[in-house]
Amino acid sequence: GQQLNQSPQSMFIQEGEDVSMNCTSSSIFNTWLWYKQDPGEGPVLLIALYKAGELTSNGRLTAQFGITRKDSFLNISASIPSDVGIYFCAGDNYGGATNKLIFGTGTLLAVQP
Amino acid sequence: NAGVMQNPRHLVRRRGQEARLRCSPMKGHSHVYWYRQLPEEGLKFMVYLQKENIIDESGMPKERFSAEFPKEGPSILRIQQVVRGDSAAYFCASSPGIGTLNTEAFFGQGTRLTVV
Repeated sequence: GQQLNQSPQSMFIQEGEDVSMNCTSSSIFNTWLWYKQDPGEGPVLLIALYKAGELTSNGRLTAQFGITRKDSFLNISASIPSDVGIYFCAGDNYGGATNKLIFGTGTLLAVQP
Repeated sequence: NAGVMQNPRHLVRRRGQEARLRCSPMKGHSHVYWYRQLPEEGLKFMVYLQKENIIDESGMPKERFSAEFPKEGPSILRIQQVVRGDSAAYFCASSPGIGTLNTEAFFGQGTRLTVV
């Protein structure tokens, strides 16, 4: 089945640094999504991307839908302690018509104050 | 407006027992999705339901697992004769329906099942 490879697996950074993580797939997706999961909680949607090449921002977060439709990246600028958590990419082949998603393996972000 | 409610938050079962996980979708949402998350892994799709219908169960194990979303009441994910490998976090998401964007789907806090 389809798989999403996320990198890096984990990041340990200082407060104020910028962060970049990415997600690649062996096959095409029509939608890319980025979620954050705090310990003991469910994933919370950060950014949704629906068009190849699309670049979307949400506050300090910026994500891009790769032109080949096989990858996406997420950048976090000027990180703060509350950015700590696990970030997941997810792909959807139904153009957002359903919420049947394929999730990546996650990037654990730790921010040192 | 309450979010997606899952209960219990934590469930411990002995091998061979049954586990019942409940999900009440957000008000106005008629579609429910169940996902399973093994330790240190991403979420894996299990089943997609709307009221009284299973739309897609391609991610459900063939045996011991079943799901329903009755006309009244919460969606139930049932695992019979649990084994240690069933230990995981089970998440439910709900959405208003077909054609709505992913931004309108929300996840619950999950049920953490531990099989001893």
